Amino acid sequence: GQSLEQPSEVTAVEGAIVQINCTYQTSGFYGLSWYQQHDGGAPTFLSYNALDGLEETGRFSSFLSRSDSYGYLLLQELQMKDSASYFCAVSDTGGFKTIFGAGTRLFVKA
Amino acid sequence: DTEVTQTPKHLVMGMTNKKSLKCEQHMGHRAMYWYKQKAKKPPELMFVYSYEKLSINESVPSRFSPECPNSSLLNLHLHALQPEDSALYLCASSHRRTGGQYNEQFFGPGTRLTVL
Repeated sequence: GQSLEQPSEVTAVEGAIVQINCTYQTSGFYGLSWYQQHDGGAPTFLSYNALDGLEETGRFSSFLSRSDSYGYLLLQELQMKDSASYFCAVSDTGGFKTIFGAGTRLFVKA
Repeated sequence: DTEVTQTPKHLVMGMTNKKSLKCEQHMGHRAMYWYKQKAKKPPELMFVYSYEKLSINESVPSRFSPECPNSSLLNLHLHALQPEDSALYLCASSHRRTGGQYNEQFFGPGTRLTVL
């Protein structure tokens, strides 16, 4: 089976940096993705890691350590609009079967 | 065109009704997905189509019946649903990267379904 763990809530102030961790246990692993979902909206792809290391996309970065079954999403220069739910997701070989973590609700305060 | 569209946005149906959800994308993606999402929960994978063939059925009850008429369209036929099936139904698509793997999924806005 597959399971992912991520914190349920994180609160940070505008302009700060926040890290959302994700640990996973999977029977088959191909990559770790991150999605953002605002209330009432659809999930939006943020980042993907198949290999160990850091991927940077603007204010967002994602890290993966396959040996530790661990990854994180780093959000820099936080803005109020970053308040949303963030899901880590594991895809198996082929990338079809995607299992989402329970989600981390990020609250950004002024 | 870089979006996935879904109709209807909202649907209310009785337990004896038959209805269909529709999803469309024109990005040339050859993998399409149906997810179910309850409030404050993550999306749960239901079905995956690859090249118009059903690749994954996550043990979904037969009252949900997917169909992929062509590479741009995905339907979900609903019949004899239960109140607990009320949820947001999300469609997604993805393309095949170099190396043959599918990565980022593009989600539609969803259909909010209420079963009375």
